[in-house]
Amino acid sequence: QKEVEQDPGPLSVPEGAIVSLNCTYSNSAFQYFMWYRQYSRKGPELLMYTYSSGNKEDGRFTAQVDKSSKYISLFIRDSQPSDSATYLCAISSGSARQLTFGSGTQLTVLP
Amino acid sequence: DGGITQSPKYLFRKEGQNVTLSCEQNLNHDAMYWYRQDPGQGLRLIYYSQIVNDFQKGDIAEGYSVSREKKESFPLTVTSAQKNPTAFYLCASSMGGPQAFFGQGTRLTVV
Repeated sequence: QKEVEQDPGPLSVPEGAIVSLNCTYSNSAFQYFMWYRQYSRKGPELLMYTYSSGNKEDGRFTAQVDKSSKYISLFIRDSQPSDSATYLCAISSGSARQLTFGSGTQLTVLP
Repeated sequence: DGGITQSPKYLFRKEGQNVTLSCEQNLNHDAMYWYRQDPGQGLRLIYYSQIVNDFQKGDIAEGYSVSREKKESFPLTVTSAQKNPTAFYLCASSMGGPQAFFGQGTRLTVV
């Protein structure tokens, strides 16, 4: 079993839809949770960072962590075509050296 | 502008040839990392360095070498011993916490 599992998609939604992206993890030592957005042929860009259970909101994006279920989610409200990208979850037990990445979910938002 | 610069963007390697990928950062970060990304897979750590003149192997170091002579620079050499070098290579840096910041990547192709 991989330490971090992420549904690879692809996921296709109409503009304006609410998008839910999810990852599960197996190691209870993980305590730092990140979401990266990666456009085609570009490097990943840090989108959201949290270290506690609950929700963290930033504009149209909400990161949700449930440590008891070892489940993390990223919600995108009012999705836009510019949100079309691959979204990677990344989890760490400490430093960036210990980052473990999901395989990424490819999202397409159709105009 | 502060950031991480990778060059070249595209690189072609002949069989049996060594090639070097450049990574420079002006974020004053101590730690730097090299990842490999293959389609449908998460990022895999090749090498990392937490201070100048010191570096450690990551999960897939075989066939790769690095140096860290300056804080700003962390070049990666893909040697002829790497049997499957075609991939997207990403350089990242961090301040020591769990968050990593990425460059725009180098796509290496064997011809």
